[in-house]
Amino acid sequence: EAGVAQSPRYKIIEKRQSVAFWCNPISGHATLYWYQQILGQGPKLLIQFQNNGVVDDSQLPKDRFSAERLKGVDSTLKIQPAKLEDSAVYLCASRPGQGASGANVLTFGAGSRLTVL
Amino acid sequence: AQKVTQAQTEISVVEKEDVTLDCVYETRDTTYYLFWYKQPPSGELVFLIRRNSFDEQNEISGRYSWNFQKSTSSFNFTITASQVVDSAVYFCALSEANYGQNFVFGPGTRLSVLP
Repeated sequence: EAGVAQSPRYKIIEKRQSVAFWCNPISGHATLYWYQQILGQGPKLLIQFQNNGVVDDSQLPKDRFSAERLKGVDSTLKIQPAKLEDSAVYLCASRPGQGASGANVLTFGAGSRLTVL
Repeated sequence: AQKVTQAQTEISVVEKEDVTLDCVYETRDTTYYLFWYKQPPSGELVFLIRRNSFDEQNEISGRYSWNFQKSTSSFNFTITASQVVDSAVYFCALSEANYGQNFVFGPGTRLSVLP
C-alpha cells in the first residue's frame, strides 16, 4: 500500500511570499489532517477534513493560511503571505473512516519543510 | 480539555540500558485512544502502538513495553536493552472518540542512545 505523499519536501521563500503544499493520502482514507511542527515541538493540528468537509480548523490562522480538499482525496495547504514564524515542517496525515480496519491510527507523510527568510 | 504532557525533554542512555519515557494525559472523554509515535532523524513519524481507554492490559512487544494506568492518567513506554537505532524523538498522543477524533500530541522526548 502506498503511503501518504507530500510535496515539495523542501521550500525556501522570503517573508510575504506565498507557498503551497500538496498531500495525497492513502487511497480510501476518508480523514485527512494537516499539522504544523515547529523545530523542537510536537505536531500541532491546523485542519482536519472528513472527505471534503472541514471537521476542525479552530487552530488554522485563517488570515494567512487556507486549505482545501475539493474532491475528498488530495489536499492543498496554502500560506499567503508567509511570516518568519511559519518556518516549520508541515505534516499531512490520513486515516480510514470509522469502522474500517485501523480507523484510529494516523499515517503520516514525510513532511514539507518550509524556511521563511 | 485535551492535553498530553511529556515531562522529559531529553534522555541519554548508554546502549543496552533500559529506558522509560513518561506520558501523562488529560481528557474530557470516556472513550479515547493513546498512541506512541517515533520520529527518527529522517523526520517521518512512525506509529508504534495504540491503546484504547477500555484496555488497560499492558503489552510487551519485543524490546518495547507499555504501561497504561487510567488511575494516574499515564501511558508510559519502556525500551529494554536500548540500541543506537532507538535514538529518536518519541511522541505520546491522545485522540478523543466523541470529540472529532482530533489527535493531540505531546511535546516529545528526545532519546539518545550512546554506543
